[in-house]
Amino acid sequence: DAGVTQSPTHLIKTRGQQVTLRCSPKSGHDTVSWYQQALGQGPQFIFQYYEEEERQRGNFPDRFSGHQFPNYSSELNVNALLLGDSALYLCASSLVGGGEQYFGPGTRLTVT
Amino acid sequence: GQNIDQPTEMTATEGAIVQINCTYQTSGFNGLFWYQQHAGEAPTFLSYNVLDGLEEKGRFSSFLSRSKGYSYLLLKELQMKDSASYLCAVGANAGKSTFGDGTTLTVKP
Repeated sequence: DAGVTQSPTHLIKTRGQQVTLRCSPKSGHDTVSWYQQALGQGPQFIFQYYEEEERQRGNFPDRFSGHQFPNYSSELNVNALLLGDSALYLCASSLVGGGEQYFGPGTRLTVT
Repeated sequence: GQNIDQPTEMTATEGAIVQINCTYQTSGFNGLFWYQQHAGEAPTFLSYNVLDGLEEKGRFSSFLSRSKGYSYLLLKELQMKDSASYLCAVGANAGKSTFGDGTTLTVKP
């Protein structure tokens, strides 16, 4: 039973560029949440997708957008990258009714 | 909004018991979660409390008091591998979860 997978593992981008991160949820899960984790801090909620729609959103600018596909996988897109976007981006899957979330290994994004 | 407070760092001795506290203020509550995160790795689920009281799972127990906005994670028979960051998270309605900044636990021999 595959857990949550994310790609790529690491990514280096330049300020102003755009990036797309990918996530496949744990088998049987229908809900995907994205988090940004800066060094020494807890994960910050970006948004959650269910039934291919954004269900909830945290305090992140519109430069952060996402998508969920019919197979429940998801993408996180960040436009006009800033140095401050450098962080570990975590994807977590769960069932829509709530309960525990299973996290993927994360994508380490470095913006130079 | 949500506000979660937990100690930044704690140190304990191998074989001992440690309690990590978490207080929260929330608008909307759908459960209190504890996660363990080793350096450079993703968080892994430890426990979930939605009702008041103690939930025990092996060496780990978690307690919740909704009226006090308070939870703790109790780790017994500490092992060196328990050295990690422990994250308290509050689940709100419709799926949003808010995490604290984590408590870095160092277990010494």
